[in-house]
Amino acid sequence: EADIYQTPRYLVIGTGKKITLECSQTMGHDKMYWYQQDPGMELHLIHYSYGVNSTEKGDLSSESTVSRIRTEHFPLTLESARPSHTSQYLCASSRGTSGKWGEQFFGPGTRLTVL
Amino acid sequence: GQNIDQPTEMTATEGAIVQINCTYQTSGFNGLFWYQQHAGEAPTFLSYNVLDGLEEKGRFSSFLSRSKGYSYLLLKELQMKDSASYLCAFSNTDKLIFGTGTRLQVFP
Repeated sequence: EADIYQTPRYLVIGTGKKITLECSQTMGHDKMYWYQQDPGMELHLIHYSYGVNSTEKGDLSSESTVSRIRTEHFPLTLESARPSHTSQYLCASSRGTSGKWGEQFFGPGTRLTVL
Repeated sequence: GQNIDQPTEMTATEGAIVQINCTYQTSGFNGLFWYQQHAGEAPTFLSYNVLDGLEEKGRFSSFLSRSKGYSYLLLKELQMKDSASYLCAFSNTDKLIFGTGTRLQVFP
């Protein structure tokens, strides 16, 4: 069982609010990732990190930002939420990126609804 | 460039066998993963192939041909709980590249 956690699991907020989605893992993994996924649709990588103080933008343009101050923690922030941000956000981590070490363990996700 | 392709939807009958294909193109390849994702849930790891051939794990098997850029996931003795999306992903130098997923519906 993967030890990766996300909070909150569900969030309904109004337009313009600032929100932070939390992601923590206890596996000591260096690599962490944020994906956005609409129901029944594909995963889109929006941010990833190689380790502490490392962050990279993913393949899908996103108005969110991330930080990696501690190995186990990779929060995602939306400065001003809009209805177009309504989606499921999945956090994942992996020991490495090469071969089997690239296996990603996923958190349970945060379902965000912006009214 | 790099891309990955798998069928969008498949249907099958309980107790049957189904094969989900995946083709990919990439200049850097470090293995191929299959994940299962039930509706509304996170993906969970099913299998990993880095060498050509078949890897068997219970009712699920995965095959890889690196020269053809081809993999398949074989599900035997289908059960209703196997209704889910199956994601193919290859590992390049720094991350996984996921396919769009194949939504499998198992009927009684």
